[in-house]
Amino acid sequence: DQQVKQNSPSLSVQEGRISILNCDYTNSMFDYFLWYKKYPAEGPTFLISISSIKDKNEDGRFTVFLNKSAKHLSLHIVPSQPGDSAVYFCAARAYGGATNKLIFGTGTLLAVQP
Amino acid sequence: EAQVTQNPRYLITVTGKKLTVTCSQNMNHEYMSWYRQDPGLGLRQIYYSMNVEVTDKGDVPEGYKVSRKEKRNFPLILESPSPNQTSLYFCASSSFSGGTQYFGPGTRLLVL
Repeated sequence: DQQVKQNSPSLSVQEGRISILNCDYTNSMFDYFLWYKKYPAEGPTFLISISSIKDKNEDGRFTVFLNKSAKHLSLHIVPSQPGDSAVYFCAARAYGGATNKLIFGTGTLLAVQP
Repeated sequence: EAQVTQNPRYLITVTGKKLTVTCSQNMNHEYMSWYRQDPGLGLRQIYYSMNVEVTDKGDVPEGYKVSRKEKRNFPLILESPSPNQTSLYFCASSSFSGGTQYFGPGTRLLVL
């Protein structure tokens, strides 16, 4: 049972436009959400995160929005650049107990066209 | 430079031949974890370790072993690899469980 879902395997966007990557989750106990970016032949790198007590977090060109009632988060990249082309994973953390592990989605491949 | 290293980066082996993938971090992190990445399945946790000598199963532990004798090292052991263990493997570490994880560069394994 996939608790964190990224329903779009791929997304293509023109340079300079907005990229919107979506993520849905099913577990209402998740309290912290992260986005990771992965280039080919490299490990995922942390991009941005948001706590469940917030609905928006911004870092430069990257903004993450959280809609708890819909159990949905999205990553906005504005403006998109060719260097943003990568696989993006969303991840969620379930709080509580001794092990607060991260659960990852399946990833979305973003291609930013020059 | 803060980093997680894995070796080897690429490995081709045959069914049943024991192998070890090493993982080392230089950030003094307590929490370490192994993931495998497969198409359409994302990153799935194999094993994790909360600290030295403390390890536990993740979501897909069958066919794997780990050990944590030192804080910096967390090797992944495949005692008898099978073709369904062909995958891309990542080691990760964080200062605490549930914290931001730092990933190694990955090990691509092919089991024939």
